[in-house]
Amino acid sequence: ETGVTQTPRHLVMGMTNKKSLKCEQHLGHNAMYWYKQSAKKPLELMFVYNFKEQTENNSVPSRFSPECPNSSHLFLHLHTLQPEDSALYLCASSQLSELNSPLHFGNGTRLTVT
Amino acid sequence: AQKITQTQPGMFVQEKEAVTLDCTYDTSDPSYGLFWYKQPSSGEMIFLIYQGSYDQQNATEGRYSLNFQKARKSANLVISASQLGDSAMYFCAMREVEGGTSYGKLTFGQGTILTVHP
Repeated sequence: ETGVTQTPRHLVMGMTNKKSLKCEQHLGHNAMYWYKQSAKKPLELMFVYNFKEQTENNSVPSRFSPECPNSSHLFLHLHTLQPEDSALYLCASSQLSELNSPLHFGNGTRLTVT
Repeated sequence: AQKITQTQPGMFVQEKEAVTLDCTYDTSDPSYGLFWYKQPSSGEMIFLIYQGSYDQQNATEGRYSLNFQKARKSANLVISASQLGDSAMYFCAMREVEGGTSYGKLTFGQGTILTVHP
């Protein structure tokens, strides 16, 4: 399998549930990212991992908890979410050493919090 | 202040005609990269074209070209010979060089919805 794979594609969860989003990249990249895309807003950067070390947390509430066990896998653990957290969550990867390296995105997880 | 501004929420174009999507950016870094992405209704983000701040020529990739005006801090995407399949959301994004050695995150604009009419 190639590229960036995200699972699940769709997720509906209640405010008291705990769930996890998974991302896997097969591109040999050394950086991974979580972005949030809400309706009528630009993509918002949530977290950045460089060589599996977190280098950026963009003031994300603690109900979102990332995990990067290695440079190919990235998780986003969710708990006690709010309805306003409903959005498309996009994972991406890139090669840190190249200015022109685009972010390669997965197809996203469409999250609905009820 | 917004780092990336796309002032056109929506654009319409007739099939086979050219269209320009606007993007202006704000940075004090001398070295930076500019990217354009396409997002169809399916949600995937597709990389289209890249322009480096030091590139002398405007970038081109097939029907996509970038009108890069560095002094004006603008990087407009030009799509020639529009096709129905070009209907999508288009995002402009910028990478600034942080610390001079690591080229990571992209900052995105609000996007422009392009509709191609037959």
